Amino acid sequence: QVQLQESGPGLVKPSETLSLTCTVSGGSISGYYWTWIRQPPGKGLEWIGNIYYRGTTNYSPSLETRVTMSVDTSKNQFSLKLSSVTAADTAVYYCARRGLSGTYFIDWGQGALVTVSS
Amino acid sequence: EIVMTQSPVTLSVSPGERATLSCRASQRVFSSLAWYQQKLGQAPRLLIYGASTRATGIPARFSGSGSGTEFTLTISSLQSEDFAVYSCQQYDNWPYTFGQGTKLEI
Repeated sequence: QVQLQESGPGLVKPSETLSLTCTVSGGSISGYYWTWIRQPPGKGLEWIGNIYYRGTTNYSPSLETRVTMSVDTSKNQFSLKLSSVTAADTAVYYCARRGLSGTYFIDWGQGALVTVSS
Repeated sequence: EIVMTQSPVTLSVSPGERATLSCRASQRVFSSLAWYQQKLGQAPRLLIYGASTRATGIPARFSGSGSGTEFTLTISSLQSEDFAVYSCQQYDNWPYTFGQGTKLEI
């Protein structure tokens, strides 16, 4: 079991870009798919997208025009950028590790609350 | 997009009793179904994947069943630490989607 930790600004202004980084410890980022998931306050979970350690990505169709994910294997980190944010993007953002046999999520970070407000 | 519908929204059960939670998919997802437990202020925790396989370290009182569009999570003999929100997730079809959750309360 690896440990994941999200980091980044907790407050982002409308129309700007949300940026978060997930640092993986206790294991290598190599060989796995990594994921971002978000949860608006009081609501359910929403899958944002996956990135393979080699950089291959797939994103949720509802967000794909605004999302960019990247990975830095030398730092054991992967990142999320979400552009043109609005108040609807206010949520707890989780990074997670995908399972080996399917896109379920084995290990999770503690979550980072990002608020979009001027 | 596959819509996951969970019922009931809230389930009130006493410690020691059995809880049965349901999850329905708008399309067949075969056995590509996971269950998560989430306590207030915490990240979700994987309980079940493949509809019925317990994740590492999950007690045997948690069991999953079903395939296709109808799934069930059963918790036998509820412990105090089991009162939480439970969410299902399908991973047969991209985009991967979650149910809105069932709150299990005392």
